Amino acid sequence: DQQVKQNSPSLSVQEGRISILNCDYTNSMFDYFLWYKKYPAEGPTFLISISSIKDKNEDGRFTVFLNKSAKHLSLHIVPSQPGDSAVYFCAASEVNDMRFGAGTRLTVKP
Amino acid sequence: DTGVSQDPRHKITKRGQNVTFRCDPISEHNRLYWYRQTLGQGPEFLTYFQNEAQLEKSRLLSDRFSAERPKGSFSTLEIQRTEQGDSAMYLCASSHETGTDTQYFGPGTRLTVL
Repeated sequence: DQQVKQNSPSLSVQEGRISILNCDYTNSMFDYFLWYKKYPAEGPTFLISISSIKDKNEDGRFTVFLNKSAKHLSLHIVPSQPGDSAVYFCAASEVNDMRFGAGTRLTVKP
Repeated sequence: DTGVSQDPRHKITKRGQNVTFRCDPISEHNRLYWYRQTLGQGPEFLTYFQNEAQLEKSRLLSDRFSAERPKGSFSTLEIQRTEQGDSAMYLCASSHETGTDTQYFGPGTRLTVL
């Protein structure tokens, strides 16, 4: 059962522009949402998170938006940099049960 | 380096052999998780410990999989009688018991079963 879905397997953007990565979930009991970044041959690296009581959380160039009614979250990266090129996973958690999407490969072109 | 560490980073084994992986969590973290990741997929939860207690193991993939955390510090994941379908990246993560569940991952152990 895919409770967390990332429908875009890949995304390509130009350096300096905005990258928007999307994620949908089905379980309304999820109360904590996270984004991880993964480079090849490394484990996922925590990027940013948001609690279900908020609709936005910002950390530097990264902003996560949560729309609970639509069961949708997104990650905005602005401005995008070539070093942001990686696979991005969204995750949703309910009492230590964390589910991951399949990932979106972001490529930022110089 | 105070992050999550895993050993070995790579393991190649023959079908039918047993393998054991080790995970050392961030020292102040009392929760430890094991995941499996296959190509093109996100991490798939296997099991989780709080201190030495294994609180969730129903999602271990089969009875060939087992995990231990005897002293509440490092953990081991064992796969008995490996099969080619067990080839994957095995990830360990740890977190601190707080209101949120931000898990920090190790680099993973890549298992190849020939």
